[in-house]
This record gives sequence, structure tokens and C-alpha cells, in this order.
Amino acid sequence: NAGVTQTPKFQVLKTGQSMTLQCAQDMNHEYMSWYRQDPGMGLRLIHYSVGAGITDQGEVPNGYNVSRSTTEDFPLRLLSAAPSQTSVYFCASSQNRDRGQTGTQYFGPGTRLLVL
Amino acid sequence: AQSVTQPDIHITVSEGASLELRCNYSYGATPYLFWYVQSPGQGLQLLLKYFSGDTLVQGIKGFEAEFKRSQSSFNLRKPSVHWSDAAEYFCAVAYNDMRFGAGTRLTVKP
Repeated sequence: NAGVTQTPKFQVLKTGQSMTLQCAQDMNHEYMSWYRQDPGMGLRLIHYSVGAGITDQGEVPNGYNVSRSTTEDFPLRLLSAAPSQTSVYFCASSQNRDRGQTGTQYFGPGTRLLVL
Repeated sequence: AQSVTQPDIHITVSEGASLELRCNYSYGATPYLFWYVQSPGQGLQLLLKYFSGDTLVQGIKGFEAEFKRSQSSFNLRKPSVHWSDAAEYFCAVAYNDMRFGAGTRLTVKP
């Protein structure tokens, strides 16, 4: 199994450009999520999905869109990039939820995004 | 509001000394609890987790953590730190989603 994969590893954007960060997992996990990591702030949840066709907002959803058309893929879209979105982005997935709680998450290697 | 607090931003310990990293949470119900470690430029690796049962859990690399319901804490410990333990450590709690603390950066002195 490849686990959780993310592409690209590094991206430079100009303000106002759009792009999609790709995330895929081959573990048949229901739960997938996107985080951004900024110095001194840990990981902050952007969006998450509990299954195909279902998404929800996390702590910092503004400026980002997601969709979940398949179990395997969970892309993150930046519609109009801003310098404040310069960050490292991590995708994660976990197995079936138990009693409404999210299980152990497995993380991708991250995407470093620089918005000029 | 749900929150996770790691009070120590940066800790320095000598190699061979003991280590305790603190984590407190604020949730309506007992969530699942995790500790992750991140080496520079790397993703996150799970050290250990608590779902239920014995409140002292053992993890990889010689780490352990103790869940104390009365204190809403889940502190990470290691009896003897190695230079390779230098990294950033994140406490996380999960209920409907997973939330992370801000992290504690560990420096190990020779």
C-alpha cells in the first residue's frame, strides 16, 4: 500500500491564481481531512469528509473548497490564492469512525505552498 | 469550545534525562487522545493513542502517556531521552474530527 499520497510536493503561486492540491489514499478509509501547518500554530483543520459525497468545515475553511466524489480522493481547491495561504498542507485519512469518534489518522508527506 | 493546549512551546533536556510533555484538553465528552511526532521536514508519525481501558498507554520509541480524566490531561513521558528524540511533538484529540495542539519543540543537549 502507498498509504496517503499528496501532489505536488512544492508549489509557488501568484496572488489570485487557483490550484488544486491532490490527496489520495489506498487504505479504503472513510474519513479524510486537510490541515494546514503554520509556525507556532500546530495543525489546523481546514475541511474533512466522513465518506464519499459528505464534507464539512473545520477550524479554518475560508478560501478553500473540497469535494469527495470517491472514497480514495479528497482534493483541496484554492480558488483565489492569497499570501496568507502560504503554509504546509497535510492530508490525512483514518478508518471507520467508532461511536462518532475519529480513529488514528495517517498523514501524507505534505505540500509546501508559497503564495507571492 | 473544544480545545487542546500544550503549555510548553519549547523544552530542552539533556540526553539521558527524563522527559514529560504536557497536554490538556477541553471537550464535552472523553475524546480519543493521541501523540504524534514530527521530525524536521517530515510528516507526522503516531507515537501512541488512548481510546479506552488502561489509562497508561505504551507507544513506540519508549514513550508512554497517562490519561487523567480528573485533570483532562494526557501527558507524554520518556524515562531517558536520546538525541534522536529531538523533534516537534503534537498532542491531538478526536471526537467528530481531530484537533491538534500547537506543538512542543524538543531540543536534546549532548
